[in-house]
Amino acid sequence: GENVEQHPSTLSVQEGDSAVIKCTYSDSASNYFPWYKQELGKRPQLIIDIRSNVGEKKDQRIAVTLNKTAKHFSLHITETQPEDSAVYFCAASPAGGGNKLTFGTGTQLKVEL
Amino acid sequence: GAGVSQSPSNKVTEKGKDVELRCDPISGHTALYWYRQSLGQGLEFLIYFQGNSAPDKSGLPSDRFSAERTGGSVSTLTIQRTQQEDSAVYLCASSFQGRQETQYFGPGTRLLVL
Repeated sequence: GENVEQHPSTLSVQEGDSAVIKCTYSDSASNYFPWYKQELGKRPQLIIDIRSNVGEKKDQRIAVTLNKTAKHFSLHITETQPEDSAVYFCAASPAGGGNKLTFGTGTQLKVEL
Repeated sequence: GAGVSQSPSNKVTEKGKDVELRCDPISGHTALYWYRQSLGQGLEFLIYFQGNSAPDKSGLPSDRFSAERTGGSVSTLTIQRTQQEDSAVYLCASSFQGRQETQYFGPGTRLLVL
């Protein structure tokens, strides 16, 4: 089955700096890669996703890149703000799999003032 | 509109007892998923429903775990003879068609087995 690894497990940045979180996956059949943000005690919420026919996608301060050959994808947050502090999870899903998501173990992002 | 809801929000039980966790998906969503999140861990897939059938039960950790969905809506996850290692947050999610689209998560049920 699919295996998703995520790094780093914790990340501390200064407000205004950029943050990068990286994930690798094992199943070459995976072609949908969402990122979820989970604030303390809250439910996970989708922040951005990418499909394998696209190499990069941006939404304001957030971008995701995908390298299908190397089987890795990354989340980039620019101009970080304190409200970006949360746990971020990457996930992967194969086509035709009912959208079953295999998640990484999460990155605790802390944005310091 | 209303999001995914789950009940109870917290459940404390004694080892060996059975528990039932409920999920109300977003109206009109045909796909429903159960995940488990242990402390400091990622989300672990348990089971996926398309309508009332469960084409993928591969994540259920043992035969003590079962789930059903009725009327293409509400789902119940049942854990029999609970063990301490079952303690976790159980999250339900739904999506429109079970294709590669956004999964919307509920607030979870925090289960503690003493």
